[in-house]
Amino acid sequence: GQQVMQIPQYQHVQEGEDFTTYCNSSTTLSNIQWYKQRPGGHPVFLIQLVKSGEVKKQKRLTFQFGEAKKNSSLHITATQTTDVGTYFCASNLNKFYFGSGTKLNVKP
Amino acid sequence: DGGITQSPKYLFRKEGQNVTLSCEQNLNHDAMYWYRQDPGQGLRLIYYSQIVNDFQKGDIAEGYSVSREKKESFPLTVTSAQKNPTAFYLCASSMKRSAGGNEQFFGPGTRLTVL
Repeated sequence: GQQVMQIPQYQHVQEGEDFTTYCNSSTTLSNIQWYKQRPGGHPVFLIQLVKSGEVKKQKRLTFQFGEAKKNSSLHITATQTTDVGTYFCASNLNKFYFGSGTKLNVKP
Repeated sequence: DGGITQSPKYLFRKEGQNVTLSCEQNLNHDAMYWYRQDPGQGLRLIYYSQIVNDFQKGDIAEGYSVSREKKESFPLTVTSAQKNPTAFYLCASSMKRSAGGNEQFFGPGTRLTVL
């Protein structure tokens, strides 16, 4: 069964609006990784979080790892059309598991 | 120029034929992975290998086979036993896994269509 659940499945926003995707697990995760896949492309690594409660920022992107290390979020402030794509969380329990992804569409 | 390559980009095969997808990396990574992605879906792990001459099944290994004779290469064979082989296949590699995990580098993928 799926180890990492991700919501929402789709998100349509107007350019300039914020966007958040959430990743949840029933088990404690040793780490969480985030990837972005542009339409027609392959996943590209964005960041890894390891510590409980960790928050990391990359320009307009903010990544959080929950205190219990069972959930994580990716927040994009003031979306741009270049943010279009599918965002995946992933974690290596005994195997590597990817969430189902959140597909972001940004209307100019 | 370091990276991970997959060939071909597009592949068409007739039903009932076996087909082998190539994956090569020159990143000196120990671990390599094969994923399957269906339209609008996430990535599902087919097989992975952490060291030469060793590999483990992922969640959807049935109908697939792999080999890891060289560190640089991890070919995937889609056999005729795979019921729905049409999909986007992604190969990835990472440094040897530590407790903190390692980022995965993905190849450009192969789109397989079985007619």
